[in-house]
Amino acid sequence: KQEVTQIPAALSVPEGENLVLNCSFTDSAIYNLQWFRQDPGKGLTSLLLIQSSQREQTSGRLNASLDKSSGRSTLYIAASQPGDSATYLCAVKETSGSRLTFGEGTQLTVNP
Amino acid sequence: SQTIHQWPATLVQPVGSPLSLECTVEGTSNPNLYWYRQAAGRGLQLLFYSVGIGQISSEVPQNLSASRPQDRQFILSSKKLLLSDSGFYLCAWSEGSSYEQYFGPGTRLTVT
Repeated sequence: KQEVTQIPAALSVPEGENLVLNCSFTDSAIYNLQWFRQDPGKGLTSLLLIQSSQREQTSGRLNASLDKSSGRSTLYIAASQPGDSATYLCAVKETSGSRLTFGEGTQLTVNP
Repeated sequence: SQTIHQWPATLVQPVGSPLSLECTVEGTSNPNLYWYRQAAGRGLQLLFYSVGIGQISSEVPQNLSASRPQDRQFILSSKKLLLSDSGFYLCAWSEGSSYEQYFGPGTRLTVT
């Protein structure tokens, strides 16, 4: 059974800092990995999707990497802003079925 | 562009009452549709998914059921709610099983 772990559970940083969020998964037979952002009481916003054949994806100040063999992904946020404050979730899709398995998220606070 | 709607946004229901949550998607045809539940401290759990009208797959045995009466409509139901059904219910869609999933705004259900 696939298990996804996100470390740290919570992170507080000053504005302008570069930061890294970590995601690990137990079964490397994944099809893709997706990073989401969730604001309090809201739905999920898709940030980046990395296919299993890819090593990284970039969108603006966000860069996500994937090391499938070691079961790890990182989300790098450059020059953090207070508006980046949210919970960040990673989810993996296995090679069979439609299920996404989610981590429990990292709650990020960027202080002005 | 594609849009996903969920209603109601919030719902407070007594134990033993019925439930009907609705999700609709605009701007796409024959999407895969998903129902997730997010409970405090337990992350997101896939409840049901559908690859077409009338085709429902259940991921977790429970007090809930799902139906897809139209191509872009997905309904989550219960005949008698339990306290443990409380949570944040999220609908999502994707173009196929292997593609990026997009989430709706969610419904906050409190069973009292």
